[in-house]
Amino acid sequence: AQSVSQHNHHVILSEAASLELGCNYSYGGTVNLFWYVQYPGQHLQLLLKYFSGDPLVKGIKGFEAEFIKSKFSFNLRKPSVQWSDTAEYFCAVNAFGNEKLTFGTGTRLTIIP
Amino acid sequence: EPEVTQTPSHQVTQMGQEVILRCVPISNHLYFYWYRQILGQKVEFLVSFYNNEISEKSEIFDDQFSVERPDGSNFTLKIRSTKLEDSAMYFCASSGGLAGVPEQFFGPGTRLTVL
Repeated sequence: AQSVSQHNHHVILSEAASLELGCNYSYGGTVNLFWYVQYPGQHLQLLLKYFSGDPLVKGIKGFEAEFIKSKFSFNLRKPSVQWSDTAEYFCAVNAFGNEKLTFGTGTRLTIIP
Repeated sequence: EPEVTQTPSHQVTQMGQEVILRCVPISNHLYFYWYRQILGQKVEFLVSFYNNEISEKSEIFDDQFSVERPDGSNFTLKIRSTKLEDSAMYFCASSGGLAGVPEQFFGPGTRLTVL
């Protein structure tokens, strides 16, 4: 069975700081990887995804993530955060050919102006 | 931009009552899902539905739960006899349009409160 770990539960940063949120998964086969964001009071929105090819993927709002297969990781990064990035961030994985998404526990990001 | 919609946004019910949560997936999508998120916990998969039948379900999705696509546009989740522990945010999602898009698009959720 697949599982996802997000070790940072709550991250507080000042505007313009760089961000890296960790995500590790456990599954022996081919996976699709996702980062979703949930802004306060809003629904889950897809930030970026990795299916195959270039392991460095770029998403919306200046976010990117790197898939490192040897480390089973898919960390989310942003070079300079803004106050509007305050939200909950969820890493998710599904096994190739399987629809079920398995989510991590989420990381709450608070940006201080 | 097409989106998944859910109604109601908040449902309050008494323990033991039946509830039906409704979702309208994106129109050309073929796969439909329900997830739930208990307050402070992770988003958990409940069930996936394709070609008018359940394709996968989790251990949470017991006999108290059922799903239906009654009319080709709505996708419903029924909880037959609600329990206190069913209180959660329930998210509907859809994927798999004609281009075979595998990512799932989520609705805004229905907050279910069981008293």
